[in-house]
Amino acid sequence: EDQVTQSPEALRLQEGESSSLNCSYTVSGLRGLFWYRQDPGKGPEFLFTLYSAGEEKEKERLKATLTKKESFLHITAPKPEDSATYLCAVQERGSARQLTFGSGTQLTVLP
Amino acid sequence: DTAVSQTPKYLVTQMGNDKSIKCEQNLGHDTMYWYKQDSKKFLKIMFSYNNKELIINETVPNRFSPKSPDKAHLNLHINSLELGDSAVYFCASSQGGSSGRVGYFGPGTRLTVL
Repeated sequence: EDQVTQSPEALRLQEGESSSLNCSYTVSGLRGLFWYRQDPGKGPEFLFTLYSAGEEKEKERLKATLTKKESFLHITAPKPEDSATYLCAVQERGSARQLTFGSGTQLTVLP
Repeated sequence: DTAVSQTPKYLVTQMGNDKSIKCEQNLGHDTMYWYKQDSKKFLKIMFSYNNKELIINETVPNRFSPKSPDKAHLNLHINSLELGDSAVYFCASSQGGSSGRVGYFGPGTRLTVL
C-alpha cells in the first residue's frame, strides 16, 4: 500500500528564514509526486509535479526536489503570504490516476 | 472563471438525513474525483469517474453513491448520514495523458452531521 509521510507537522519561521519541508514515500512504482498548497477554507492548489529522481522544479520562492525515497520543498526567504498547509501526494504507476496524500505541513511565516 | 465548483459550501444536517453535494468542472477534463478530508487534514480518495464511468471505489460505505450525469458533473449522494461523515468533501478533476496531472480541486463542502 502506498504511504506518504510529511514532516514536520507544523513549522514556524520568521520572515526571510529559509527552510525545507520533507515528504517521504513508499510506492511500488512512482508515476508522479505532487506538491499542493492549501489555504484555510479552500481546496488544494497545485504547485509542482516531479516524475523522476533528480528532477527539480521552481516557482518564486519555492523549489521542489525528488529522490527515490523522498521529496523536499525548499522555501527561500519566505514571506507571511507563504503561510499555508503544504501537501505532498504520490500517484502510482498503473493506477487510475488517484492521489495518495500525506497529512501535510502547516507552515506559518511570522512578519 | 471557476474551474471546479461545488455546492453547497457548507452543509449542516441531522443524523439519518439524506443529502447531496454537486460538482461541476468547466475544464473539459475526462476524469473527476471525490476526496474526503478529515479533521486531521488527511485527504483520501473516495471515488473516481472517467468519462462517466466509475473506475475507483475505495472502501466507502454504500451509503455514499456518486452519480455522473455527464463528463462535466459528478455529484455525491449520502444516505442515512452518520456523525462520522462530518468532514470536508473535495471534488477534483484531471485530464488523461502522460502527465496525469491532477491539478484542480474544488473549494470543498464542509459537512457537519449533528
